[in-house]
Amino acid sequence: GAVVSQHPSWVICKSGTSVKIECRSLDFQATTMFWYRQFPKQSLMLMATSNEGSKATYEQGVEKDKFLINHASLTLSTLTVTSAHPEDSSFYICSARDDGTSGLVFWSYNEQFFGPGTRLTVL
Amino acid sequence: DQQVKQNSPSLSVQEGRISILNCDYTNSMFDYFLWYKKYPAEGPTFLISISSIKDKNEDGRFTVFLNKSAKHLSLHIVPSQPGDSAVYFCAARGSEKLVFGKGTKLTVNP
Repeated sequence: GAVVSQHPSWVICKSGTSVKIECRSLDFQATTMFWYRQFPKQSLMLMATSNEGSKATYEQGVEKDKFLINHASLTLSTLTVTSAHPEDSSFYICSARDDGTSGLVFWSYNEQFFGPGTRLTVL
Repeated sequence: DQQVKQNSPSLSVQEGRISILNCDYTNSMFDYFLWYKKYPAEGPTFLISISSIKDKNEDGRFTVFLNKSAKHLSLHIVPSQPGDSAVYFCAARGSEKLVFGKGTKLTVNP
């Protein structure tokens, strides 16, 4: 249980185009999802917190008009990289926080379940 | 400023021995600490966590120790196995967000 999927797993696009990445919680509901970006040999950097039914909360330095987030249902959040440029090339990872509907009981609390990531390459 | 630091970018140990991964933090408001394991081009996988009100949590080969006064936590893996080779991230929860360290690449040699 508690599986998070991302689609696509990798994408190559031309500079100036937009790319949409989907994040789904497969067997639990997630009011809150998170979007991270990871550059090589660096930490996971939180970009934004996605809240179902409301606007996302962006971290300082993250352009909300460039990274559009939509969290339209309790199991789906999308990140759209608009007018992508080569410097946007990175590994994008989403995570979801279990609302408690999965029925799983954790002896050791896990804050967030992570998706497998999406590798974006902008040419 | 880096609130969660993993000062060792890499660690190499022999199979069967103990692996000790360290993590330091600066924010005393963090209430939960977690360790994740990550393979290249994959998302992090949860390993073990500890509440700020505890000093030890154990699960099988994995034990996490928390020293609040020193703002330091460590992950012990014993005995280490080749399949443990991965990047290990320390994360701290504060204001309902996770802050990650840069990770430590663990290599367990057969």
